[in-house]
Amino acid sequence: SQQGEEDPQALSIQEGENATMNCSYKTSINNLQWYRQNSGRGLVHLILIRSNEREKHSGRLRVTLDTSKKSSSLLITASRAADTASYFCAITQGAQKLVFGQGTRLTINP
Amino acid sequence: DAMVIQNPRYQVTQFGKPVTLSCSQTLNHNVMYWYQQKSSQAPKLLFHYYDKDFNNEADTPDNFQSRRPNTSFCFLDIRSPGLGDAAMYLCATSLRWLAGTDHYGYTFGSGTRLTVV
Repeated sequence: SQQGEEDPQALSIQEGENATMNCSYKTSINNLQWYRQNSGRGLVHLILIRSNEREKHSGRLRVTLDTSKKSSSLLITASRAADTASYFCAITQGAQKLVFGQGTRLTINP
Repeated sequence: DAMVIQNPRYQVTQFGKPVTLSCSQTLNHNVMYWYQQKSSQAPKLLFHYYDKDFNNEADTPDNFQSRRPNTSFCFLDIRSPGLGDAAMYLCATSLRWLAGTDHYGYTFGSGTRLTVV
């Protein structure tokens, strides 16, 4: 398996602060994706970054990708209570398959 | 709205009693996936269909089978559920992805939480 590995496993911050989560992987990739999962629910696709991109923004989300270090980070700025969820990175492995990392559990305290 | 719908939301089954989970989609995506997710773990791919072509993961137990009678529906059959099969089962869809091109991301259903008693 060439799962992404995420760091930290759990993160607790105050509302309004920025949250940063990291993902490392082992194989070459075409792209890397980030997903959010609210407790007991399905996953929601957040953002996709291609291997030839270094940074991508979507609203309060900023994703970076360093293919030389085989790592990616997800930054959530100005966090809100509604951002409380688990966040997973995922890489494409073979045809049609996404492999997910272990995830970071983010808690935003009011 | 186009979406992926999983039924039921919660399923309780007896040890050893066959159970079927269902997934339907209105996105007309040609790839459908079943993932198993145990508590605080990453989703683990069980199998996927590219159109009618079935692709089983090497480590998916024989106890798990799937059917895709048409583009819109996909079923997960657990022939003899054990206590270790209690988990969230997630269905996802995507458009066909070609190596070297963009993958557009998966659309997930809300999942079915399976309890085995």
